Amino acid sequence: DIQMTQSPSTLSASVGDRVTVTCRASQSIYNWLAWYVQKPGKAPKLLIFKASNLESGVPSRFSGSGSGTEFTLTITSVQPDDFATFYCQQYNSYPFTFGGGTKVEI
Amino acid sequence: DVQLVESGGGLIQPGGSLRLSCAASSVTFSGYAMSWVRQAPGKGLEWVSLVTDSGRSTYYADSVKGRFTVSRDNTKSTLYLQMDSLTADDTAIYYCAKASGAYGGYNDFWGQGTPVTVSS
Repeated sequence: DIQMTQSPSTLSASVGDRVTVTCRASQSIYNWLAWYVQKPGKAPKLLIFKASNLESGVPSRFSGSGSGTEFTLTITSVQPDDFATFYCQQYNSYPFTFGGGTKVEI
Repeated sequence: DVQLVESGGGLIQPGGSLRLSCAASSVTFSGYAMSWVRQAPGKGLEWVSLVTDSGRSTYYADSVKGRFTVSRDNTKSTLYLQMDSLTADDTAIYYCAKASGAYGGYNDFWGQGTPVTVSS
């Protein structure tokens, strides 16, 4: 199975900060990576697919990059609505594993 | 927009069985694979299972293989998860999610989840 490792697990930021979350795969997943955001008590929501493609309706302050085993999610200017937990997921091979999550807090 | 509504969760004793359902609407259900993802209390997301568009192929996490069975009824636009031999480690919110393709992919729409508690 492919292991997905996210860092950091918790990140403190202020409104307007640039925030970067890293996701590493235990083997190459090419660019078959998605990012999701989850707020407490809510279902996850898709942000980015195929490593760098922004889902429709997602603000342009979010971006994704990387390929192979190293990926990043960047929020260029974090907004109050962005304080949540972010997860990466590989969908290159079964089982489709998630990273452990990164909580972005104030 | 796609709507996914899970049902069937509840309190069940260890060793028991439960069947979850996920009713889909506003989507050509038979055209997409469907997934189950769970989240234990205070923990992260765990991918559980996927069934391809026709139902012909199924995939499972090692943690549930041999105990859980995913299936679908395309005539009813409904996804199922039969869960047997349940243990406390299966306590979680169970989400169904639509995959982006017929054979897999990322999850572009999610239900609100149904809670499962395994306890005596």
